[in-house]
Amino acid sequence: KAGVTQTPRYLIKTRGQQVTLSCSPISGHRSVSWYQQTPGQGLQFLFEYFSETQRNKGNFPGRFSGRQFSNSRSEMNVSTLELGDSALYLCATSPGTEGNEQFFGPGTRLTVL
Amino acid sequence: QKEVEQNSGPLSVPEGAIASLNCTYSDRVSQSFFWYRQYSGKSPELIMSIYSNGDKEDGRFTAQLNKASQYVSLLIRDSQPSDSATYLCAAYTGGGNKLTFGTGTQLKVEL
Repeated sequence: KAGVTQTPRYLIKTRGQQVTLSCSPISGHRSVSWYQQTPGQGLQFLFEYFSETQRNKGNFPGRFSGRQFSNSRSEMNVSTLELGDSALYLCATSPGTEGNEQFFGPGTRLTVL
Repeated sequence: QKEVEQNSGPLSVPEGAIASLNCTYSDRVSQSFFWYRQYSGKSPELIMSIYSNGDKEDGRFTAQLNKASQYVSLLIRDSQPSDSATYLCAAYTGGGNKLTFGTGTQLKVEL
């Protein structure tokens, strides 16, 4: 079974720009969660999508948004980038039932200059 | 109080010893608990999940859960240098499907 894939793996942007990251789940997984990981804050939950609907949301500003497609692939978007948005962005997927194990993709390393 | 707490370490153990990693959580409703291993520059890798009180063993790894004390631990027997990594404890909190992570414990296995 293929694992979780994320594209792109690396991104360099400048302040004020926007960025879109993509996550393709393991076959059969319908839930996609997004996390931001920084050295200072650790792994922070952004949001979770299930069946094309945002089911849970973390404490991030509205500049962070996402969506999920009918094939369960998900994208997240960050608008008006700030220096503090530099981080490793990870997605994790699961079948979607509460309590399921989540499996991470390799992540997208975003650097904002 | 953080929802999931871990000692950041580093925890240093000699090769062949037992490494003991601990985690506490604040949400009494939490029912599902996980341990992830993260090597530097890589994404987290799931190594254990535990849902019931008691011990769960998988190879050299044993997860322990005590819901009354809101405590989860991970034991690594016969520690190897390749076990050197950051270990993240996670729990579903606040109901729903939100997985909350501790800040991780850095483990160093020394030759």
